[in-house]
Amino acid sequence: GQNIDQPTEMTATEGAIVQINCTYQTSGFNGLFWYQQHAGEAPTFLSYNVLDGLEEKGRFSSFLSRSKGYSYLLLKELQMKDSASYLCAVSDSNYQLIWGAGTKLIIKP
Amino acid sequence: IAGITQAPTSQILAAGRRMTLRCTQDMRHNAMYWYRQDLGLGLRLIHYSNTAGTTGKGEVPDGYSVSRANTDDFPLTLASAVPSQTSVYFCASSDSGSGGGEQFFGPGTRLTVL
Repeated sequence: GQNIDQPTEMTATEGAIVQINCTYQTSGFNGLFWYQQHAGEAPTFLSYNVLDGLEEKGRFSSFLSRSKGYSYLLLKELQMKDSASYLCAVSDSNYQLIWGAGTKLIIKP
Repeated sequence: IAGITQAPTSQILAAGRRMTLRCTQDMRHNAMYWYRQDLGLGLRLIHYSNTAGTTGKGEVPDGYSVSRANTDDFPLTLASAVPSQTSVYFCASSDSGSGGGEQFFGPGTRLTVL
């Protein structure tokens, strides 16, 4: 079967750094996406990795290891507005996205 | 219109009623998708369309149907609603159905079936 695992909830302090992990087992791999979803809103795109390594985009970075079936999203200099759910999704052999349940990130002052 | 819109925003529906959720995008994207999102679960694909005139079944298609008569519109129909279809429904689109394409989401429809 296909499976995406990520922690249900994490808590971090404003100004700190947090790493959200995602492991996956899918039939085929055509890239991994991270999305941000604020409560009551639609998901919005953060990053896309298809090759191994780190992709940096401002305060957010995403890492991929295809051999390990592993990715993480790194958020630096946390702000209160970063409180949201972070969704990991893998594009499978049919180019359909398989989604994790999301990690709810709580930022404390 | 800017991006992707959905209607209605929310709806309470009696079981057994027919309901169509509307989705329209103005980005000329080829691919469109319908997902449902339930607490504690990831987004689950209901149906998709890689291009106008074609549709396909996703992970949870039973009880739902779609059509794609043109590029912009992708309505989702519940023929006879049941309480287990209570969920938040998101429509999304992407430039290509073949991987690598960021999906853009509509604001969602919150549906309650009683």
